[in-house]
Amino acid sequence: EDQVTQSPEALRLQEGESSSLNCSYTVSGLRGLFWYRQDPGKGPEFLFTLYSAGEEKEKERLKATLTKKESFLHITAPKPEDSATYLCAVQAQGGNNRLAFGKGNQVVVIP
Amino acid sequence: DADVTQTPRNRITKTGKRIMLECSQTKGHDRMYWYRQDPGLGLRLIYYSFDVKDINKGEISDGYSVSRQAQAKFSLSLESAIPNQTALYFCATSEVKGKLGTGELFFGEGSRLTVL
Repeated sequence: EDQVTQSPEALRLQEGESSSLNCSYTVSGLRGLFWYRQDPGKGPEFLFTLYSAGEEKEKERLKATLTKKESFLHITAPKPEDSATYLCAVQAQGGNNRLAFGKGNQVVVIP
Repeated sequence: DADVTQTPRNRITKTGKRIMLECSQTKGHDRMYWYRQDPGLGLRLIYYSFDVKDINKGEISDGYSVSRQAQAKFSLSLESAIPNQTALYFCATSEVKGKLGTGELFFGEGSRLTVL
């Protein structure tokens, strides 16, 4: 069974204080790893797809990286508007193409 | 207007009542999904549909049924609601690239259901 574990569950950052979120996974052949952002009361919003170890993707203050066992979402010099829950999901090769989601990293950035 | 629209956004009902949550999309995607989100449990897949004639159970389908009325419409029903079905429900869509779909899902705003 595909498993995704995200840590820390919750994180409070001062504005400008860079940090990283971790997503550890076990999957029978990784097809893709996905990061989403979810604001309170909203549906998740897609951020990145990573396909192979060593791959990196960037968007504004966010940078996602991938190894064979985990992914990191680095938040550089965060701003209050980066406050959200970040969800990680994995998709296995073959099969039915379903995603397995982690429980999320809740990030609060304090001005 | 949102690309993926869910109705109702909020619903309070009583145990034993039949409830339908509706989802419509304007993205033109073939694949549609229903997820449930509970605090501390993350997103769990209830049902998914790859096209109008292809409907599949997810990891937590017991107590739920679905109907894919058209490419753009996918409804979730609770035939006899119970309190532990109190949750936030999300509809999502994805397109198909090559032989497999992508993991890039487009979510609706959610339907918050409370069963008393």
